[in-house]
Amino acid sequence: GDSVTQMEGPVTLSEEAFLTINCTYTATGYPSLFWYVQYPGEGLQLLLKATKADDKGSNKGFEATYRKETTSFHLEKGSVQVSDSAVYFCALTPNSGNTPLVFGKGTRLSVIA
Amino acid sequence: GAVVSQHPSWVICKSGTSVKIECRSLDFQATTMFWYRQFPKQSLMLMATSNEGSKATYEQGVEKDKFLINHASLTLSTLTVTSAHPEDSSFYICSAPPGGHDGTQYFGPGTRLLVL
Repeated sequence: GDSVTQMEGPVTLSEEAFLTINCTYTATGYPSLFWYVQYPGEGLQLLLKATKADDKGSNKGFEATYRKETTSFHLEKGSVQVSDSAVYFCALTPNSGNTPLVFGKGTRLSVIA
Repeated sequence: GAVVSQHPSWVICKSGTSVKIECRSLDFQATTMFWYRQFPKQSLMLMATSNEGSKATYEQGVEKDKFLINHASLTLSTLTVTSAHPEDSSFYICSAPPGGHDGTQYFGPGTRLLVL
């Protein structure tokens, strides 16, 4: 079945460091890909998405490119802030429409001043 | 983006009682909503798919008689934890897709349930 694999955390970075969180997927067809962020005690917020190969999603300085040839959707940010400390989930939907998301296990990021 | 609310955000109850959690899409209609459960420091586990006007679809291993789901309208789904026990204590999150073709879903803020 469809699956998402993302790098294990926790990841600890100093403020202004470069961030990469790796995400690869297995899916049939052409899934939509997402990054969600979860702050402590809260639900998930959509961070960015890409719906077809070579699309780049971006938001709040974060970006990720849909790479079909490597089945990857790595999350990057050039300069992290303390406020970026959260858990990041990579996810996909196998088909368009009303199907549940398939999540990775999440990566906890801690940014220290 | 679209907004999904949940109520209550926190609930503490005694063992054996039932608890109802509401999930509402505030600015869009959702024929489908999803209910997830999240254990500390873990990913989300899909419990069931809530369908407006029909029965919910439960994932394998989820007791449908214990976790009752009702999709009463195009903007409201409820999850009732019946005869709650301490092992039901968890963080419950709902999500809803606005119905676009890219599969985007918006999540509620979650409900933390503690059963004593």
